[in-house]
This record gives sequence, structure tokens and C-alpha cells, in this order.
Amino acid sequence: DGGITQSPKYLFRKEGQNVTLSCEQNLNHDAMYWYRQDPGQGLRLIYYSQIVNDFQKGDIAEGYSVSREKKESFPLTVTSAQKNPTAFYLCASSTSTSGGAYSYEQYFGPGTRLTVT
Amino acid sequence: EDKVVQSPLSLVVHEGDTVTLNCSYEVTNFRSLLWYKQEKKAPTFLFMLTSSGIEKKSGRLSSILDKKELFSILNITATQTGDSAVYLCAVQAGTALIFGKGTTLSVSS
Repeated sequence: DGGITQSPKYLFRKEGQNVTLSCEQNLNHDAMYWYRQDPGQGLRLIYYSQIVNDFQKGDIAEGYSVSREKKESFPLTVTSAQKNPTAFYLCASSTSTSGGAYSYEQYFGPGTRLTVT
Repeated sequence: EDKVVQSPLSLVVHEGDTVTLNCSYEVTNFRSLLWYKQEKKAPTFLFMLTSSGIEKKSGRLSSILDKKELFSILNITATQTGDSAVYLCAVQAGTALIFGKGTTLSVSS
């Protein structure tokens, strides 16, 4: 059945190590997104991609990197440059139309909780 | 700067009560307002609102948008313990969604 998967569910890393979070979708959605959620905070956009081989920075892109080599996949790398990486990371996808005004809902994966010590 | 503000930040009610959650926004290029319910993990989609004054309803939940006053409300009638969750409001302005901090609803039996 269709959906968004994220792995792993929990991830522990030592400070100074890069770590890559996986996000895969089989909804045939063009657009994919990465959000970070901290306690008591809403979701903050890290990166998004509307089409393969193209992505844009969100509000808090510093210390993160992404790639979009396939429509189904949008992995997020948390680099050692990210000063406070411990958080809950959510991946989402949606349909996307190029140009013009459009409205859509985003579907979310189950999330990855990253703890860096 | 675009912003979405939800109130209250937390709410505790008894089963059977009716609650109203608020979401106000200031964004350029408004396209839609969305409500999500988050229970520990992935937010699940509730409603998308694009036009003022048209109520969207799903069971005990309903929502309405006022584009003149720039706010939306989410109503939950006859609350149940299963309604306990964080309710997120998000506004689509341009390409991505801008989220509020959420309202944490706790329903006690």
C-alpha cells in the first residue's frame, strides 16, 4: 500500500559524525520536504524538492544537505556543522504543479528521532 | 515575515466537552490553510481550507476560515480521550507550508 517510509525510527550518534536519514515514498508525488520538530515548537522547514535533481533551502537549512536523484527518495544528511541536531525529523510529500497557484495537502512519514551526544 | 500563531498552546478538558482551537496568520501570497492532528508521530491531515465562510466537517470535527480577519478555528464537539493530541495549523504561502507551534489538547475521562 502507498505511503511514506522513514528509517530508522530512532538514531543515536556521537557529536561530530555525519548521519543520513532515509525517506522513501511510493505515492508518485513530485514534491518532498524535510521538517524538524523540537519540543513545544511547530514544524520548521529544512529543505524541499519539487522535482528530481532540484531542491531548495527552507528556513533552517544550515548544517543539513539533501539529494533528489530519484522521485521516490529524498535523503537528508545531518552534518557535523549542525550545532543542535538532536530533534524529531519528519519527511513529507505532496503533489506539485509547476507555476501558478495551487493548494495541496502534505502526507507525512512516521519520523526519525535523532539523538546526538 | 510570514507567521502562524496558534492559541491556546495547551488545553485540558473533560470528555464530552466542546473545544475551539484558534489559528491566526500573517503571510504574503496565501493559498490555503491546513489542519493536522499529531499523536506522537506523523501528523495526519484533517482539513484544507481555501475559501472564507465555508465550513468543512468530518464527524465531530469542523473548521472554518476567515480570510478577511486572517484566522481559522477548529471545533471538536463531544470530545473523547482519543482526541488527545497536538493539533497543528499550517498555511501554504508560496511553495511550502508554514506551521504554527501547535495546540496540545488533553481530554480526561
